[in-house]
Amino acid sequence: DVKVTQSSRYLVKRTGEKVFLECVQDMDHENMFWYRQDPGLGLRLIYFSYDVKMKEKGDIPEGYSVSREKKERFSLILESASTNQTSMYLCASSPGVKGNQPQHFGDGTRLSIL
Amino acid sequence: KNEVEQSPQNLTAQEGEFITINCSYSVGISALHWLQQHPGGGIVSLFMLSSGKKKHGRLIATINIQEKHSSLHITASHPRDSAVYICAVDSGGSNYKLTFGKGTLLTVNP
Repeated sequence: DVKVTQSSRYLVKRTGEKVFLECVQDMDHENMFWYRQDPGLGLRLIYFSYDVKMKEKGDIPEGYSVSREKKERFSLILESASTNQTSMYLCASSPGVKGNQPQHFGDGTRLSIL
Repeated sequence: KNEVEQSPQNLTAQEGEFITINCSYSVGISALHWLQQHPGGGIVSLFMLSSGKKKHGRLIATINIQEKHSSLHITASHPRDSAVYICAVDSGGSNYKLTFGKGTLLTVNP
């Protein structure tokens, strides 16, 4: 069965810390995505990657960076965490084949920045 | 950029009722997705459709491309159907990006 695993369900960090959120998929998918989900705003795309070492900015990339050194792993980095980055973070993956494909989501990481 | 509107934002029903959640979008799409998110849980894909109608158990999804509108129906609703239902559209192109609606919170009471 398809599996997208996020390293933590809950995480508490302090303002100014560098924060790493990890995501691993076991489906050999080319595409991987990082979203944040906030009440009243829905899911918003931060970054996505369509291949190893390739990345593109989403709708809200400010304050974030990403790393994709291996096909199965996509990391989201908060360079200097701020309280407005407290949110639910969701990782997803999908095949890179032509035609529409569903995205498979992880369980999410609820990140609190104090 | 595609705009995706869902209605209603919140919906409360009694067990056994027929449920309809609506989704409208503003520009042409290659596919529309319906997703389900249980409280505190991850998101699962229910349907992906580009035309017509799909059915899975008690769930039915329809799409009208000309009217840029889709509906998700739940027949014989049950408390375990309580979740947030999210509509998302793929506007085509090669970047596989989705645009999401804000979601509909469904509560089914026993």
